[in-house]
Amino acid sequence: DAGVIQSPRHEVTEMGQEVTLRCKPISGHNSLFWYRQTMMRGLELLIYFNNNVPIDDSGMPEDRFSAKMPNASFSTLKIQPSEPRDSAVYFCASSSAPGGYTFGSGTRLTVV
Amino acid sequence: TQLLEQSPQFLSIQEGENLTVYCNSSSVFSSLQWYRQEPGEGPVLLVTVVTGGEVKKLKRLTFQFGDARKDSSLHITAAQPGDTGLYLCAGALRGNAGNMLTFGGGTRLMVKP
Repeated sequence: DAGVIQSPRHEVTEMGQEVTLRCKPISGHNSLFWYRQTMMRGLELLIYFNNNVPIDDSGMPEDRFSAKMPNASFSTLKIQPSEPRDSAVYFCASSSAPGGYTFGSGTRLTVV
Repeated sequence: TQLLEQSPQFLSIQEGENLTVYCNSSSVFSSLQWYRQEPGEGPVLLVTVVTGGEVKKLKRLTFQFGDARKDSSLHITAAQPGDTGLYLCAGALRGNAGNMLTFGGGTRLMVKP
């Protein structure tokens, strides 16, 4: 298995533009997590899916953020419109309960 | 205040030294995990501890789960430059739905040659 695959690795966009981050979890894992990491705030959970259903989205900062998981092998995190304070590294992780998480390599987002 | 407090936040040592990092909480966890994250990559799982008082060893790394399952420590013997990275503890709270973990703020370790 190639692990959790995220794309793109780097994204630079202008304020106000729409940004879509993509994640392919490990086959057979039934839980998927989106995290945001910054130096100031560390690793923050944004949203968590179980069997493709959103279970906890209390970490999604604003209505500008949305996430979908249309099937077991694909998820997206969308920011519309993007703002400079959204600049961070966004990680996707998958897991099969009760195992540990496997993280992707992340998407480094810069909003200018 | 985070549910899992890690200390120290930063640690810079010379190659060959020993070190211990701590992960503390007032909550009880059904299990606790340690991850290491290198620059430009995602965190990688090192170990899972489940039983209070449990000790696990991974080469020069020793992990311990507190008797009351509220805290954990990671001890590294004879640190190497390759140990440099961000160490994160993460706990599964008892009664949590699904497979949710709570992460600590991390300890950033630098081992100088």
